[in-house]
Amino acid sequence: GENVEQHPSTLSVQEGDSAVIKCTYSDSASNYFPWYKQELGKRPQLIIDIRSNVGEKKDQRIAVTLNKTAKHFSLHITETQPEDSAVYFCAATLNDYKLSFGAGTTVTVRA
Amino acid sequence: NAGVTQTPKFRVLKTGQSMTLLCAQDMNHEYMYWYRQDPGMGLRLIHYSVGEGTTAKGEVPDGYNVSRLKKQNFLLGLESAAPSQTSVYFCASSRGPIVVDEQFFGPGTRLTVL
Repeated sequence: GENVEQHPSTLSVQEGDSAVIKCTYSDSASNYFPWYKQELGKRPQLIIDIRSNVGEKKDQRIAVTLNKTAKHFSLHITETQPEDSAVYFCAATLNDYKLSFGAGTTVTVRA
Repeated sequence: NAGVTQTPKFRVLKTGQSMTLLCAQDMNHEYMYWYRQDPGMGLRLIHYSVGEGTTAKGEVPDGYNVSRLKKQNFLLGLESAAPSQTSVYFCASSRGPIVVDEQFFGPGTRLTVL
C-alpha cells in the first residue's frame, strides 16, 4: 500500500514569514494529493489539492507543488497569519476511496 | 444543511463493552468512510462504503464492524472494546470517488476505553 511521510512534525514561524511542509510518497501510481488543515478540536478540512498531471497549484496564500519523479509534494504558505496556526496533513491516493495520510505538521505562527 | 454529523461526541467505555457510533450525512453522498486519528499517526481508514448496502475494509479494520443500511447513515460498531481502540473517530463522506469529489468530515467522536 501507499506510505506517506511528512516533515517537519512541528514548525514555528514568525507572522508574515513563509511556511513549507514536505511529503514523500512511495507508490508512483498515486495520482491525487490533497492537503487538510485541522484546527485544535475541529474536523479536518480540505484546503488545496493537486493531481498528478499538474506540477503546481496556487490559491491565494497557499500553493502546492508536485514532483512526480522524486515522489514528493509540498505545501507552501506565504505571509503567514495567526489563523494559519493548525495541524496540516498531506495525503495521497492511487484509487477511488483510500487516502493515505501523513502524520501531520503542527504549525505555530508567532505574533 | 447539517453536512456530516456524528453521535455521540464523547464516550467512555470499559474493556469488553460494546457500542455503536452513528454517522449521518444529508448531502446525498454515495461514499462514506470511517477513520481513526491517533497522536502522531494522522488518520487511518477503518472501513468505507461506496453505496447503500455495501461496505469494505480499509487499512485498520480489526475489531470493528460497519453497516450501511440507509444511504445517509454509516454505523461503526465495536463489539468488545479494547484500550487500543481509544482514539478520535472521524466519519467522512463524498459524492463520488476521492480523486473527483471532495471528502467532508464530521466533527469527530472522542472514545476512551478503560
